[in-house]
Amino acid sequence: DSGVTQTPKHLITATGQRVTLRCSPRSGDLSVYWYQQSLDQGLQFLIQYYNGEERAKGNILERFSAQQFPDLHSELNLSSLELGDSALYFCASSVRDWGETQYFGPGTRLLVL
Amino acid sequence: KNEVEQSPQNLTAQEGEFITINCSYSVGISALHWLQQHPGGGIVSLFMLSSGKKKHGRLIATINIQEKHSSLHITASHPRDSAVYICAGRYNTDKLIFGTGTRLQVFP
Repeated sequence: DSGVTQTPKHLITATGQRVTLRCSPRSGDLSVYWYQQSLDQGLQFLIQYYNGEERAKGNILERFSAQQFPDLHSELNLSSLELGDSALYFCASSVRDWGETQYFGPGTRLLVL
Repeated sequence: KNEVEQSPQNLTAQEGEFITINCSYSVGISALHWLQQHPGGGIVSLFMLSSGKKKHGRLIATINIQEKHSSLHITASHPRDSAVYICAGRYNTDKLIFGTGTRLQVFP
């Protein structure tokens, strides 16, 4: 158990819908990272938040947004969903920044029908 | 050509064998990450290195900056090492590119 929790574990929704994925980092970790893993694209870095502020941005679509709240949990919002958004979404946390070990959550499996 | 390439894509081994997984990248990176993804999907960060060599238990990771190449070695492999091993290069501060992974199966 990494200490990082993600909810829900599974999510099935329809095209055009909006969903919110939630991540609680390990106690004391200030950074949260979001990743997407799909069959055709593999793992991709989406976005990083550090202590409530956006720190780094990867291949995140404009339809996707994220935020980190004062209690350090983070949410990834996916809107106008398309079939191709079906994937595993992982969050990870670290104490501060990229220079440290990241601890991954179990992932949320999203299926868009 | 992908910026981060791994080889081999698939690897089978007998328990006890020494295993090497390779990762090469096309441009300069600030750090290289090795991850392990279990059959159930969970991901564990194994190493992060920017130079030299790191060791943790039976796992050893090395990086050669000049040759733009990193290797992950597993000594005395065990069936519980069966997993997908993924390397990722960190470019600047905001770009992390993943390799496609190496699927390892270790048989007793």
